[in-house]
Amino acid sequence: QKEVEQDPGPLSVPEGAIVSLNCTYSNSAFQYFMWYRQYSRKGPELLMYTYSSGNKEDGRFTAQVDKSSKYISLFIRDSQPSDSATYLCAMSATNYGQNFVFGPGTRLSVLP
Amino acid sequence: DAGVIQSPRHEVTEMGQEVTLRCKPISGHDYLFWYRQTMMRGLELLIYFNNNVPIDDSGMPEDRFSAKMPNASFSTLKIQPSEPRDSAVYFCASSTRENTEAFFGQGTRLTVV
Repeated sequence: QKEVEQDPGPLSVPEGAIVSLNCTYSNSAFQYFMWYRQYSRKGPELLMYTYSSGNKEDGRFTAQVDKSSKYISLFIRDSQPSDSATYLCAMSATNYGQNFVFGPGTRLSVLP
Repeated sequence: DAGVIQSPRHEVTEMGQEVTLRCKPISGHDYLFWYRQTMMRGLELLIYFNNNVPIDDSGMPEDRFSAKMPNASFSTLKIQPSEPRDSAVYFCASSTRENTEAFFGQGTRLTVV
């Protein structure tokens, strides 16, 4: 079993749909959870960052962490074609970057 | 700041040749990471440095791979000799101890034929 699992997709949705992206993990030491967005032929960029369990909202994006289930989610409301990208979850046991473990990524296409 | 700068953006080389990838981290960042991304394996950490010192190179696939950071503003990842299975996108990223976010460069797309 991989340390971090993520449905690779591709996931295609119509513009305006609510998108749910998910990751599961096995290491109970993870406390810091991140979502990165990667556009085609670009480097990943941080989208959302959450510590421990709970929700965090930023505009159309909501990150959820359920540590008891070892499950994290990213919700995108009112999805736009510009949201088309690969979304990578990343996790760390410490609050600085060297212990990042990335999921394989989910490719999302939002169709106009 | 221009962000993390990698060069070259694309590299095509023949099997057996030496390949050197270059990275300039963001000024003031004391952590530098080298990642490799493939469709099959996703994003894998190869090695990371703290204050120019290699801390963990357990992700380096084999002895053909080596990385150096001679100063705070420059790092190289070298593959010698290169093989077709090394074809991937190689990313450099940097961060600070106080900030969980790793800032990635644009990547170097390596093709070994």
